[in-house]
Amino acid sequence: GENVEQHPSTLSVQEGDSAVIKCTYSDSASNYFPWYKQELGKRPQLIIDIRSNVGEKKDQRIAVTLNKTAKHFSLHITETQPEDSAVYFCAARETSGSRLTFGEGTQLTVNP
Amino acid sequence: EAQVTQNPRYLITVTGKKLTVTCSQNMNHEYMSWYRQDPGLGLRQIYYSMNVEVTDKGDVPEGYKVSRKEKRNFPLILESPSPNQTSLYFCASRPAGSFYEQYFGPGTRLTVT
Repeated sequence: GENVEQHPSTLSVQEGDSAVIKCTYSDSASNYFPWYKQELGKRPQLIIDIRSNVGEKKDQRIAVTLNKTAKHFSLHITETQPEDSAVYFCAARETSGSRLTFGEGTQLTVNP
Repeated sequence: EAQVTQNPRYLITVTGKKLTVTCSQNMNHEYMSWYRQDPGLGLRQIYYSMNVEVTDKGDVPEGYKVSRKEKRNFPLILESPSPNQTSLYFCASRPAGSFYEQYFGPGTRLTVT
């Protein structure tokens, strides 16, 4: 089955700096890669996703890049703000669509 | 309002006492899943269902049961809870197809003593 590894487990940045979180996956058949943000005590919520036929996707201050050959994808947050502080999860979904495998999560702290 | 609901939100119980956590969605989604979240381990899938009467094991199914008798409901059953099942549980749903967003319920924090 799919295995997703996520790094780093914790990340601390100054407000206004950029943050990058990286994930690798094992199953070359995976074709959908979402990123979720989970604030303390709340449910995970989708912030951006990318399909395997796309190399990069951007939505305002957040972007995701995908390298299918290397089987890794990354989340980029620019101009970070304190409200970006949360746990971020990457995930990969198999082609069959039945399984979504998550990384272990990254605790991002943005210091004012 | 489109949503996934779970009940109860918090539960403290004792080892061996059967319990059920309910999950319901009002979006007519085909896919429903249960996850458990533990520190440092991310979200791990327990069971999933692709439609009514179709369920399959996820990564950590031991000690859990599910059923999908109606499209909107997907209860999680712990027949004989043990302390290692103390965790935060999330139900989720999404439409059929690979590229659809998955919506999570608010979570159920379970403590087994």
